[in-house]
Amino acid sequence: LAKTTQPISMDSYEGQEVNITCSHNNIATNDYITWYQQFPSQGPRFIIQGYKTKVTNEVASLFIPADRKSSTLSLPRVSLSDTAVYYCLVGESGTYKYIFGTGTRLKVLA
Amino acid sequence: GAVVSQHPSRVICKSGTSVKIECRSLDFQATTMFWYRQFPKQSLMLMATSNEGSKATYEQGVEKDKFLINHASLTLSTLTVTSAHPEDSSFYICSARDYPPDTQYFGPGTRLTVL
Repeated sequence: LAKTTQPISMDSYEGQEVNITCSHNNIATNDYITWYQQFPSQGPRFIIQGYKTKVTNEVASLFIPADRKSSTLSLPRVSLSDTAVYYCLVGESGTYKYIFGTGTRLKVLA
Repeated sequence: GAVVSQHPSRVICKSGTSVKIECRSLDFQATTMFWYRQFPKQSLMLMATSNEGSKATYEQGVEKDKFLINHASLTLSTLTVTSAHPEDSSFYICSARDYPPDTQYFGPGTRLTVL
């Protein structure tokens, strides 16, 4: 079973901020939370990774509350090219395996 | 970020033949690599974990004799689909674990079509 749960789909408009929340109730003490973006017929692309609190890079921010049972990926001012599937992943302690959930299919509208 | 390559990007073969897919970590060493397959409109499904210098660990339901995995060096893992059948047609994606930090980087994928 996937360790994470996300909304299956979301729609947004260009220029808006998009927040995608992921639930990972059984996250282990050592687990990191990593987000990926996937376009059709391509491998997932690393977006951002965090352990706790807030992480920001040039493309996104990741918010992780103190209990770490959820996380929120924030994409500022999305464009049409951000239309993709976004996956939240938590590695399995000891084996480092990723079990993919459904991901969130984001559609950005003009 | 770290770069992972796959070769070939696309392959078409006849039923009954074998196909080898290479996965390379270009700018880091990876003791652990993973192989996934993905059907259209579906999520990635983990097939096996590949550890350098040891036998791969296969997920339940994945035939180890059909999907041969070799991880002979810290930068190369190969997946060989033996005696391919049309139902093996899929998108195969590898990932390599970079540590520290503990992050997986994915290859661009290989589209396999078995006729």
